[in-house]
Amino acid sequence: NAGVTQTPKFQVLKTGQSMTLQCAQDMNHNSMYWYRQDPGMGLRLIYYSASEGTTDKGEVPNGYNVSRLNKREFSLRLESAAPSQTSVYFCASSEALMLTLLGSAQPQHFGDGTRLSIL
Amino acid sequence: KQEVTQIPAALSVPEGENLVLNCSFTDSAIYNLQWFRQDPGKGLTSLLLIQSSQREQTSGRLNASLDKSSGRSTLYIAASQPGDSATYLCAVFNTQGGSEKLVFGKGTKLTVNP
Repeated sequence: NAGVTQTPKFQVLKTGQSMTLQCAQDMNHNSMYWYRQDPGMGLRLIYYSASEGTTDKGEVPNGYNVSRLNKREFSLRLESAAPSQTSVYFCASSEALMLTLLGSAQPQHFGDGTRLSIL
Repeated sequence: KQEVTQIPAALSVPEGENLVLNCSFTDSAIYNLQWFRQDPGKGLTSLLLIQSSQREQTSGRLNASLDKSSGRSTLYIAASQPGDSATYLCAVFNTQGGSEKLVFGKGTKLTVNP
């Protein structure tokens, strides 16, 4: 069972380059999320997609764009990479955000991360 | 703004010891609280999820409790093993700034020595 798959696992970019991080899940989940994890900051939500066709900003959306390509795939794009975007990026999914809001247990499942360095 | 604090930041114990990891949060208006495990260079693995209406959840040697009114949760690990060595993250799900999201603590790094 693959779960949540992220590609690439590692990437080095130069300042100003663009890059798309890919995420796919095979659990038929409706909701997907992008986080970044930085030392001393914990995980912070960048963007999320409650359902296919919708996307919303999280806590730290500046400098990023997302696309919910279909139910399985949710990509994160850096249009002009900056050194401050050096981080580990995690994609996650859950069955349905709306069910969480209605009181149903909806754990989030995470990929193994993309380690991105921007020089 | 919701803030999640985990104490201690690091913990080292001998194998076989029972231990408690602590998590506190500032806004009690949460939907649920989730405990995760993160191994070095890996993603997060969900361990336990406690709904806001629940007091505790158990899975094997793990027991998580939730006291929403006081803004606290504990993760109890019984009979610790070297394989339990990892960083443990606590996260609460609530509405903040118009978005529904998980807010994470910075984690407790656990080392279980053989």
